Amino acid sequence: DTGVSQDPRHKITKRGQNVTFRCDPISEHNRLYWYRQTLGQGPEFLTYFQNEAQLEKSRLLSDRFSAERPKGSFSTLEIQRTEQGDSAMYLCASSSRDYPDNEQFFGPGTRLTVL
Amino acid sequence: GENVEQHPSTLSVQEGDSAVIKCTYSDSASNYFPWYKQELGKGPQLIIDIRSNVGEKKDQRIAVTLNKTAKHFSLHITETQPEDSAVYFCAAHLLNSGYSTLTFGKGTMLLVSP
Repeated sequence: DTGVSQDPRHKITKRGQNVTFRCDPISEHNRLYWYRQTLGQGPEFLTYFQNEAQLEKSRLLSDRFSAERPKGSFSTLEIQRTEQGDSAMYLCASSSRDYPDNEQFFGPGTRLTVL
Repeated sequence: GENVEQHPSTLSVQEGDSAVIKCTYSDSASNYFPWYKQELGKGPQLIIDIRSNVGEKKDQRIAVTLNKTAKHFSLHITETQPEDSAVYFCAAHLLNSGYSTLTFGKGTMLLVSP
């Protein structure tokens, strides 16, 4: 499978715990995005990497959230001291600068439930 | 920033009917408008897109129209089939701006009944 993959697919945690999600983009895609999607809403942009550089961060990305893409390939999104309001689907997408219109290919998402 | 409104939130049609979903955007500088289909348990998948220098684009049973003056664009699905049932999202984006944010609408749940 050469699509975007995310791990885990589901995560249940207790309030106050830290969680980390992983995203593996399509091979050789140099751009990687994180979005958050809550029930009944469209995806909301969180952050964007071009290669290993984090170029954009949304105001939604509070200081409890941190994202990395250390070698310009896979990325991790960590949430510290989780809150019930963090419960959502976290989507990762990737794109290639060379692909027409910079189409973003989405992974299946990680569904986070904070109890 | 950009704001995208999408209507209706739910749409029920009979198999074979047409379905139309409408979106408006606020930033006149936006120049790329993709439509995504999201099935249960999956991430959004691009189904068609249009750039601001084009008024209409068609791909088999799916078409998108764009009115730059009114800042609205629409998705048209003809001869709907049960497998078209899903949530559809429109989005707006400014290509080649150095920014990469896709701003999405809230989605339309399309239900096609056999």
